[in-house]
Amino acid sequence: GNSVTQMEGPVTLSEEAFLTINCTYTATGYPSLFWYVQYPGEGLQLLLKATKADDKGSNKGFEATYRKETTSFHLEKGSVQVSDSAVYFCALSEGYSSASKIIFGSGTRLSIRP
Amino acid sequence: EPEVTQTPSHQVTQMGQEVILRCVPISNHLYFYWYRQILGQKVEFLVSFYNNEISEKSEIFDDQFSVERPDGSNFTLKIRSTKLEDSAMYFCASQLGDSPNQPQHFGDGTRLSIL
Repeated sequence: GNSVTQMEGPVTLSEEAFLTINCTYTATGYPSLFWYVQYPGEGLQLLLKATKADDKGSNKGFEATYRKETTSFHLEKGSVQVSDSAVYFCALSEGYSSASKIIFGSGTRLSIRP
Repeated sequence: EPEVTQTPSHQVTQMGQEVILRCVPISNHLYFYWYRQILGQKVEFLVSFYNNEISEKSEIFDDQFSVERPDGSNFTLKIRSTKLEDSAMYFCASQLGDSPNQPQHFGDGTRLSIL
């Protein structure tokens, strides 16, 4: 079945460092891809999405490009801030069908040192 | 911005007891979901709901689980006879339409602890 594999955490970086969190997926058809973020004590928030190959999703300085050839959707940010400390989930939706469920990766905990 | 709200934020229940988790989706949304996250594990899909019926359910969603939209605003998850392994964070989500361009909006979750 469809699945998402993402980089194990925790990841600890200094402020202003470059961030990459790797994510690869297995899917039949043409899934949509997402990054969700969970700040401490809060729910899941959609960070960015891409719905077709070569699309780039971006938000709050984060970017990810839908790479069909490598089945990847790596999350990047050029300069992280302490406020970016959170758990990041790569996810896919199986496309157009009634009420498409989301399949999540295991999450990567990111901690940013001042 | 409209939000999905879940109550209670934390529920502690004795094993074998029934529990109802409540969610108020965003008002004009049509698709509703429950997910759960056992501590330290992945967020897992439980069930999706549209047009007053279940669209899809996972293997986790056995006969002990049920969902209901009793009054057009609340969306509830009931666990009939709780087990220790039901301890988890339960997330409700709602979606305006069934399209990847319509994201699922999540609540802050209910932490369920079974003793």
